[in-house]
Amino acid sequence: GQQVMQIPQYQHVQEGEDFTTYCNSSTTLSNIQWYKQRPGGHPVFLIQLVKSGEVKKQKRLTFQFGEAKKNSSLHITATQTTDVGTYFCAGPKQAGTALIFGKGTTLSVSS
Amino acid sequence: DTEVTQTPKHLVMGMTNKKSLKCEQHMGHRAMYWYKQKAKKPPELMFVYSYEKLSINESVPSRFSPECPNSSLLNLHLHALQPEDSALYLCASSQARVNEQFFGPGTRLTVL
Repeated sequence: GQQVMQIPQYQHVQEGEDFTTYCNSSTTLSNIQWYKQRPGGHPVFLIQLVKSGEVKKQKRLTFQFGEAKKNSSLHITATQTTDVGTYFCAGPKQAGTALIFGKGTTLSVSS
Repeated sequence: DTEVTQTPKHLVMGMTNKKSLKCEQHMGHRAMYWYKQKAKKPPELMFVYSYEKLSINESVPSRFSPECPNSSLLNLHLHALQPEDSALYLCASSQARVNEQFFGPGTRLTVL
């Protein structure tokens, strides 16, 4: 069946280091979405990418959608302790009925 | 108002109890969702309502019964749950089924 995979599962960095999480879909996606869930919190929508090769920036966060619309990445420059949490990518099911979430990458940051 | 609210925040229930979780949004979204989330796992889709009609049931046991009284409200009725049903139950809404989803804060459920 359709799958959305994310790596790494966990990442620990020192404050100020960069961080990247990768998302790969088994099928072409019409869009890819990224969510952040803080410890004890709920998922919060960050961004949606729609176009092949699209790159979007939000301050220190850079999101990319692959040319084939099957992979995506989230890069954080100079991490801060406020970046701690789990980052999920999600893409629509082929039938367009709902989203499939990746397993998430949990980021921890030490100061 | 870009908020999804859920009540209660926490719920402890016995295996013979009947309880309900409530979710409300006033963003005019026509799709609403129930997810179950276990620790260190992604949200697991349970039900999708589209235009107040149940459109997806992800083979959820009948001890979970969803209800959508109107376009702003979503309920999840619980009966005869098992301890393994203990989890964070998240409600979400979106304009359409593949658009960005707004999640509520969740109900943390413990089944004894």
